[in-house]
Amino acid sequence: GQSLEQPSEVTAVEGAIVQINCTYQTSGFYGLSWYQQHDGGAPTFLSYNGLDGLEETGRFSSFLSRSDSYGYLLLQELQMKDSASYFCAVRSPDSNYQLIWGAGTKLIIKP
Amino acid sequence: EAGVTQFPSHSVIEKGQTVTLRCDPISGHDNLYWYRRVMGKEIKFLLHFVKESKQDESGMPNNRFLAERTGGTYSTLKVQPAELEDSGVYFCASSVGTSSVEAFFGQGTRLTVV
Repeated sequence: GQSLEQPSEVTAVEGAIVQINCTYQTSGFYGLSWYQQHDGGAPTFLSYNGLDGLEETGRFSSFLSRSDSYGYLLLQELQMKDSASYFCAVRSPDSNYQLIWGAGTKLIIKP
Repeated sequence: EAGVTQFPSHSVIEKGQTVTLRCDPISGHDNLYWYRRVMGKEIKFLLHFVKESKQDESGMPNNRFLAERTGGTYSTLKVQPAELEDSGVYFCASSVGTSSVEAFFGQGTRLTVV
């Protein structure tokens, strides 16, 4: 079957760096996306990796290794407002290119 | 520019009743998606509209769920009759193109079936 694994919860300190990992198991692959969701809010697109390597957008970076079926989201200079759930999602030909989602990682930031 | 809006934000209904959820996508977005998240679990795809046509409804759980997008604008998702396991948060998203990397989500409708 197709699945994505990510930690259910991560705790970090304000100002620090945190990495949220995502491993996927799909029959095909067409890109890894990351979304952020604050409690009760709408999931918001953060980044997309279609090819191997690092994509940087401000304090956030996302990495992909297709050979390892693995990616991560890196958040730097953590701020309290970064407390949210982070979802990885993959597009696969076997899901008709619809997004397959992980269960989300709740990021808790302490002062 | 208005984002994706969903109505209602919350709904509590009894088992066996009918509920209709509404989604207004961003104007000009031909692609509209419905997703559901059961508490603590992954977000699951339900279906995908391109304009008024159902492009992919492979994620619809069963025939108690009916989605429409008349005129290619807003969409409705009706659950009839609702069962306990239908409880969850229903998200709607829209995008410009089918291959768009970014989808814009609404805040979701939290459905509780008691």
